[in-house]
Amino acid sequence: DTEVTQTPKHLVMGMTNKKSLKCEQHMGHRAMYWYKQKAKKPPELMFVYSYEKLSINESVPSRFSPECPNSSLLNLHLHALQPEDSALYLCASSQEGRVSYEQYFGPGTRLTVT
Amino acid sequence: GQQVMQIPQYQHVQEGEDFTTYCNSSTTLSNIQWYKQRPGGHPVFLIQLVKSGEVKKQKRLTFQFGEAKKNSSLHITATQTTDVGTYFCLPFGNEKLTFGTGTRLTIIP
Repeated sequence: DTEVTQTPKHLVMGMTNKKSLKCEQHMGHRAMYWYKQKAKKPPELMFVYSYEKLSINESVPSRFSPECPNSSLLNLHLHALQPEDSALYLCASSQEGRVSYEQYFGPGTRLTVT
Repeated sequence: GQQVMQIPQYQHVQEGEDFTTYCNSSTTLSNIQWYKQRPGGHPVFLIQLVKSGEVKKQKRLTFQFGEAKKNSSLHITATQTTDVGTYFCLPFGNEKLTFGTGTRLTIIP
């Protein structure tokens, strides 16, 4: 199984809502990533978990809160988002917990903040 | 970290023509990866280059890593409509993990 799955595919939320994005992989990968991608731009790294520990936080606002419950799951908790946070949120994973390995991306969650 | 520039930003080619995108860094890289993202899709890993001057081929795609490990290129021979998408490089060095700006390829059938 070389698939990374993400739910939901689409999400519309108000600025006062709390929601969560979910990501799952069963490839035994030990590094998992969250990226944000705006239209016609490259993916922007938000967080990296390596062996279930947060190893990189790219100065992301606290309204985004990552969580890695186990080696297969990655969540992104959202609270009090702004309209400019509307984007495609991509999850990825790579083996061995090292960022220089090839990354497998999920299909993404398209988030709209109203 | 400084974003690595890719050129060109956009490329429109007739089907059957060749296509090349370049990824240029101001610093020496340890290695570089290339990804393709189809319209409406997610990035898909294509290749990783590690050695100075390395050249790798995948069917019609040729990837090169410069001798100084500061630049890389992706060349597609005889483009097909399936090649449509945005090609990103992902350089690895001392800077943070940052994708290149990307080159969007469109094909005129």
